[in-house]
Amino acid sequence: ILNVEQSPQSLHVQEGDSTNFTCSFPSSNFYALHWYRWETAKSPEALFVMTLNGDEKKKGRISATLNTKEGYSYLYIKGSQPEDSATYLCASSDQTGANNLFFGTGTRLTVIP
Amino acid sequence: KAGVTQTPRYLIKTRGQQVTLSCSPISGHRSVSWYQQTPGQGLQFLFEYFSETQRNKGNFPGRFSGRQFSNSRSEMNVSTLELGDSALYLCASSLVVTVNTGELFFGEGSRLTVL
Repeated sequence: ILNVEQSPQSLHVQEGDSTNFTCSFPSSNFYALHWYRWETAKSPEALFVMTLNGDEKKKGRISATLNTKEGYSYLYIKGSQPEDSATYLCASSDQTGANNLFFGTGTRLTVIP
Repeated sequence: KAGVTQTPRYLIKTRGQQVTLSCSPISGHRSVSWYQQTPGQGLQFLFEYFSETQRNKGNFPGRFSGRQFSNSRSEMNVSTLELGDSALYLCASSLVVTVNTGELFFGEGSRLTVL
């Protein structure tokens, strides 16, 4: 079992603000780090799958970085919009050859128009 | 392309009963995994099936079981329900053999309430 932690637990930002969240995971035995966005009443959707130290990924206004040596990943949202309101989950994998992830409890983002 | 379909979406059971939840993965996906979410908890891994074989099982009691059929559809069963089993149960399918190379695709979940 991996202990994946996310912070903050929740935050409210004004429309147009940029924001970022943190995901911490054990740096030993690292294999992959996933980010998902989960909107209310919908299913979680994958944002990024990251495996290499120093990885940076971007999708529109959302980007993520990965530091496997110190065991953290940051998710950044530039110019937040109301439609960005969701819970953002990160998850880590601890072994090869398997499809199970260990999830953090998520960061709930509310963007105020 | 149809997404991951879970049935039923909502159900209410009483303590001691059993329940079966169903998951139809995206066509072509051979991996199906199940997760439980309770208030204040992250998604907790239950088990994962690949080509009808259970590859991994999370830290849940034996009352939780599952299976996968030859068409990749999966079911999970919870016997002798307890109040603490009230949760959202999410199914996820994957095209890849390992999450180290690709993402999971989630269904909308089955919300179980145990009275």
